[in-house]
Amino acid sequence: SQTIHQWPATLVQPVGSPLSLECTVEGTSNPNLYWYRQAAGRGLQLLFYSVGIGQISSEVPQNLSASRPQDRQFILSSKKLLLSDSGFYLCAWSITKANEKLFFGSGTQLSVL
Amino acid sequence: QKEVEQNSGPLSVPEGAIASLNCTYSDRGSQSFFWYRQYSGKSPELIMFIYSNGDKEDGRFTAQLNKASQYVSLLIRDSQPSDSATYLCAVNPLNRDDKIIFGKGTRLHILP
Repeated sequence: SQTIHQWPATLVQPVGSPLSLECTVEGTSNPNLYWYRQAAGRGLQLLFYSVGIGQISSEVPQNLSASRPQDRQFILSSKKLLLSDSGFYLCAWSITKANEKLFFGSGTQLSVL
Repeated sequence: QKEVEQNSGPLSVPEGAIASLNCTYSDRGSQSFFWYRQYSGKSPELIMFIYSNGDKEDGRFTAQLNKASQYVSLLIRDSQPSDSATYLCAVNPLNRDDKIIFGKGTRLHILP
């Protein structure tokens, strides 16, 4: 069966510090991968998605970036965090773009202070 | 702009009663519809999906889709305190270049 791992679970970072969140999927090949952010009291915001190694599409311009160095690995990064980057970050995968049944990782609660 | 609307709640329902959660969407050509359950501090979990008009039942859950009226609903029968969570409606637009759209969710509280 497929599983998705995301870490860390919680993170407290000072403004201006770098960020690296990692997500890996097991049990499937060539998944579509997604990074979402959920701010307090707000809906899910799609940040990045990827249909293959090295293929990244950005949905929202910001100081975050994403990379997919391996088929089942997706990384969210920032060189300098802003206060507004605080939120609940979720990695997700789907089998096909058309299918769009999303399966989420356990999430990372990021607090930027 | 394509939207998915949900009442934010909280919706309070007595234990054992039927909880009814509603969602409307703006893209008339949308093809697939999903309900996710999200416990506080946890990630969303897919609990139901529906593609065709009508009802789809899975245990205590029933998803209902009416494409003409552009709404989708989720019924939870015999509500349990463990059903207390936020329920997110998600819609897959007609244009496959568009990504799935989530509503902001309805908070459901089951009263013991």
